[in-house]
Amino acid sequence: DGGITQSPKYLFRKEGQNVTLSCEQNLNHDAMYWYRQDPGQGLRLIYYSQIVNDFQKGDIAEGYSVSREKKESFPLTVTSAQKNPTAFYLCASSIGARETQYFGPGTRLLVL
Amino acid sequence: GQQLNQSPQSMFIQEGEDVSMNCTSSSIFNTWLWYKQDPGEGPVLLIALYKAGELTSNGRLTAQFGITRKDSFLNISASIPSDVGIYFCAGPDFYNQGGKLIFGQGTELSVKP
Repeated sequence: DGGITQSPKYLFRKEGQNVTLSCEQNLNHDAMYWYRQDPGQGLRLIYYSQIVNDFQKGDIAEGYSVSREKKESFPLTVTSAQKNPTAFYLCASSIGARETQYFGPGTRLLVL
Repeated sequence: GQQLNQSPQSMFIQEGEDVSMNCTSSSIFNTWLWYKQDPGEGPVLLIALYKAGELTSNGRLTAQFGITRKDSFLNISASIPSDVGIYFCAGPDFYNQGGKLIFGQGTELSVKP
């Protein structure tokens, strides 16, 4: 089945630690996105990529980094510089920029 | 930049009631998307609208693309407990060449059996 997978479902981070969230899609979509969602709030864009080896900062990129070495994969690293990382992280993809986005199931990140 | 305002922010209704929510903007959108997010899951696309005045149904859901292109409405008829979740509207940001979607803040729906 085609779709977007995110792993792990839950992730725990210790203070000062970098953690990486996985996002994989087999929809042959060019564009991929990372969003952060806090309780009771909407989606805020962290980073997006329209094509392999290229990505742009979204509205809240500080403390995060990404890479796009393969079309299918867009991992997000939450660095130690992100002082409030506890949130629900959603990955999405679309055929192209500004097209309908399809979301993965999300990863919940918690700080120990 | 462009913004989308959803209302109401939350709704508490009885099973069987009809629901109406809307999304407005001060600028024009050429596409309106409606998503539903179940608790602890990613949003799922419900309906996509591409033409001003368009009225589209998906089962008990009906959405309309406003004539002014500055608003959209989502109606749910005869609500059931599984309708619980957060409903988001979204549209493409034409001021950003990078091609973002703009999302509303969401309408949280609670259904009492």
